Amino acid sequence: DAGVTQSPTHLIKTRGQQVTLRCSPKSGHDTVSWYQQALGQGPQFIFQYYEEEERQRGNFPDRFSGHQFPNYSSELNVNALLLGDSALYLCASSLYLGSGRTRVLRQYFGPGTRLTVT
Amino acid sequence: DQQVKQNSPSLSVQEGRISILNCDYTNSMFDYFLWYKKYPAEGPTFLISISSIKDKNEDGRFTVFLNKSAKHLSLHIVPSQPGDSAVYFCAASGNQFYFGTGTSLTVIP
Repeated sequence: DAGVTQSPTHLIKTRGQQVTLRCSPKSGHDTVSWYQQALGQGPQFIFQYYEEEERQRGNFPDRFSGHQFPNYSSELNVNALLLGDSALYLCASSLYLGSGRTRVLRQYFGPGTRLTVT
Repeated sequence: DQQVKQNSPSLSVQEGRISILNCDYTNSMFDYFLWYKKYPAEGPTFLISISSIKDKNEDGRFTVFLNKSAKHLSLHIVPSQPGDSAVYFCAASGNQFYFGTGTSLTVIP
């Protein structure tokens, strides 16, 4: 069973350009979340997709948008790139384990896409 | 506004000794806490978790302790092994996951 995969591995873009990052979740996972991890920081939640709709969103501008396809794979799009968008972008697919009060969401992360904006 | 904080950027421990990694949070509504381990060029890997209804959860060499009154959790690794050397992230779950900034653990053989 393949884990979460992301493409590309590395990417270099110029300020003002647009970028699309891709993620394939683990088999059977219908929820995909995207995170931005700047150097020396922890992952910061961008948004989460479920059933092809954005369900939750973190504190990121509208330049960050996404999409989820019927096969649960997902894309993260960033428009009008800024130097500060340089980071590792992580995708996580998830499923709920347990039931009732013990029901928890378990996330599985991909290796990330390293985006450098020059 | 950092809702989850790991105040120690790095920690070095001798092999065989105990490693204690700490994490503080500010939001009392968080109901689920996790520790992730991250190696270079890989995504974070789930290590252990604890629900807010518990104060301790153990899995082999790894134990997580939760002190809700202090809004503090810690990860104990006993005994520490060189393969444990990695960056450890604490995370808390509310309507989304909030991560700390990580602690880089080095286990010295």
